[in-house]
This record gives sequence, C-alpha cells and structure tokens, in this order.
Amino acid sequence: QVQLVQSGAEVKKPGASVKVSCKTSGYTFTRYAMHWVRQAPGQRLEWMGWINAGNENTRYSPKFQGRVTITRDTSASTDYMELSSLRSEDTAVYYCARSPLSCDNTAYCHFDHWGQGTLVTVSS
Amino acid sequence: DIVVTQSPDSLAVSLGERATINCKSSRSVLYSSDNKNYLAWYQQKPGQPPNLLIYWASTRESGVPDRFSGSGSETDFTLTISSLQAEDVAVYYCHQYYTTPLTFGGGTKVEIK
Repeated sequence: QVQLVQSGAEVKKPGASVKVSCKTSGYTFTRYAMHWVRQAPGQRLEWMGWINAGNENTRYSPKFQGRVTITRDTSASTDYMELSSLRSEDTAVYYCARSPLSCDNTAYCHFDHWGQGTLVTVSS
Repeated sequence: DIVVTQSPDSLAVSLGERATINCKSSRSVLYSSDNKNYLAWYQQKPGQPPNLLIYWASTRESGVPDRFSGSGSETDFTLTISSLQAEDVAVYYCHQYYTTPLTFGGGTKVEIK
C-alpha cells in the first residue's frame, strides 16, 4: 500500500535551517508529484510548494520563495523540503502530500495521500 | 491569492442528523477547458494528517462512506454528511487547487450534540 513516512521532530534555533524527508513506498515514485503543506498551531493548512514528477521542476508559494527548497532523490524514493532562515512563526507540523496521476503531473491538484507530519519547533 | 472562506467555524449535530459545511472562494475555481471545479474536501482528526474525502467538488474518494457528498460550482460549495456518525467528529477543510498558491479554508469543527 502507499506509504509516505516522514522524518522525526526537529527543534531549531532562529536563523537555522531544517530539512524534512518524506520516504515513499508502495507506488512508482517517478510517476507522482509531491507537495508540501504546513499547519501552524491553530492556523489553517498552508501550501508551501510542489515538485514535478518528470523533470523535477518546482513551484513555490510566494510566501516561502527564497527560503524553501524542494528536492527529490529518485534512487531513494524520497522527497525533501528544506526551509531556511527559520523564525518562531515557522513552528508547525510539516506534511508531504502526494498528487494523484489524474492531475497529469501539474501543480493544480488535490492530495490523495499524506505523510504523518513532522513537527518543527523554532525556539531560542 | 484565492481566499477560501468556510462557514460555520464549528457546528454540533445530533447522531444520525445532517451536517452541512459551506465553502466560498474569492474567485471561480471552475476551469472552462475541462468543466471541472478545482476544489477538494478533507477530514482531519486530532493528531492525524488530513484525509481526502471529495475532489473535483463532487467526486468521492475511493473508500469514503457515501454519507459524505460534495456539491456546488464556481465560487460556492457544500460538504454534506447525510447522517452523522460518532467517527465523523473532526475538522473539515476545503481546498482550492485552481491556481497557485493553492489555498485552504480555515476549517469547520464538527461535534456531536
């Protein structure tokens, strides 16, 4: 069955970077795009960006542009999201979320499978 | 950005009764070339990631009970739980994927009355 298993919780100081991994199994990794979404305490879900399945192009939310980098390691069937220049407002649960094939590998898609979430706490 | 507004923020419904959640987008999410509404609904229980219920505004995800249904078009959408069960207690989110940045509603908390 499809599984997206994320790396464990992180505690970071302001100004640092964090890299969250999303290891996938149960499907052909190279055929599916992946999104990253975060959820700060008491806040709505927030889309951060997306990586294309074929050419690994990325698109980021303007809010995070310049601070977020999404990459993938095809050999490990794993996607990564790195967020830099962390501040306290970045404290949140970060999710990877897969797009189904029906969206033809575009960013304009819903999410049919989610990782379990990774709590990132930013505190001095 | 498309702003997605849900109402109500919370509602309490008796077991077996109908629950209705509304979602309004600041712009139409109906794509004319394929006549699809780029809107989804998710259910989130405490400590869990969101779970896809409905996509293209009205298509139920495989395995989702048929008491869940989605309707609406362009800017106004509704998620209906026809007969609330105890396991439906959760927060429900609508999500537009018509344009980037993709955006979500603020969530509606559903409880048992």
